[in-house]
Amino acid sequence: EAAVTQSPRSKVAVTGGKVTLSCHQTNNHDYMYWYRQDTGHGLRLIHYSYVADSTEKGDIPDGYKASRPSQENFSLILELASLSQTAVYFCASSDEDWGDEQYFGPGTRLTVL
Amino acid sequence: GQQVQQSPTSLVLQEGENAELQCNFSTSLNSMQWFYQRPGGSLISVFYNPSGTKQSGRLTSTTVIKERRSSLHISSSQITDSGTYLCAMAPYGSSGNKLIFGIGTLLSVKP
Repeated sequence: EAAVTQSPRSKVAVTGGKVTLSCHQTNNHDYMYWYRQDTGHGLRLIHYSYVADSTEKGDIPDGYKASRPSQENFSLILELASLSQTAVYFCASSDEDWGDEQYFGPGTRLTVL
Repeated sequence: GQQVQQSPTSLVLQEGENAELQCNFSTSLNSMQWFYQRPGGSLISVFYNPSGTKQSGRLTSTTVIKERRSSLHISSSQITDSGTYLCAMAPYGSSGNKLIFGIGTLLSVKP
């Protein structure tokens, strides 16, 4: 069974609206990550977390908030969705820092109109 | 500058031919991974290969840490191998174990 799940799998949102993407992992991993994928840019890190109730900024955090209420759950929040945030979003988890393997969820396709 | 460079950007093969995909890193790395992705699809981890050579079926990955490069060899390609292959590295010394991705190699295998 899938160890990293995401919901929803796809979503259409309106500009200026609030969007919450959810991620759940059953790997018992400490680290969780949110990446976005755009054509021509590969995947880029938005936010990550290494413990519940704490989040860290990644390489492109502007316009996004993250929340880690428990070890298993990690959310990405777009308070005011914009057209430029149309992308595919991937969640991942890993056991430790220092180069451990990352396990990815199936992705969420977000379209902002 | 771009920390992860993949080559070639695209590749067309006849079924049965071999392929060699390259990934070069501009900084030292703790680890790297290879992923496979179909258009609009999920990321499928192909190899976690911090160093050395790993093989799985027709796929072989070789990472040479000192030379900051990794390769993915696909032997006897099949039509179902078509898709995008992404490599990603965790930079040495960076906090949080974040991955830096390349843009990918688009592989098309023709019958």
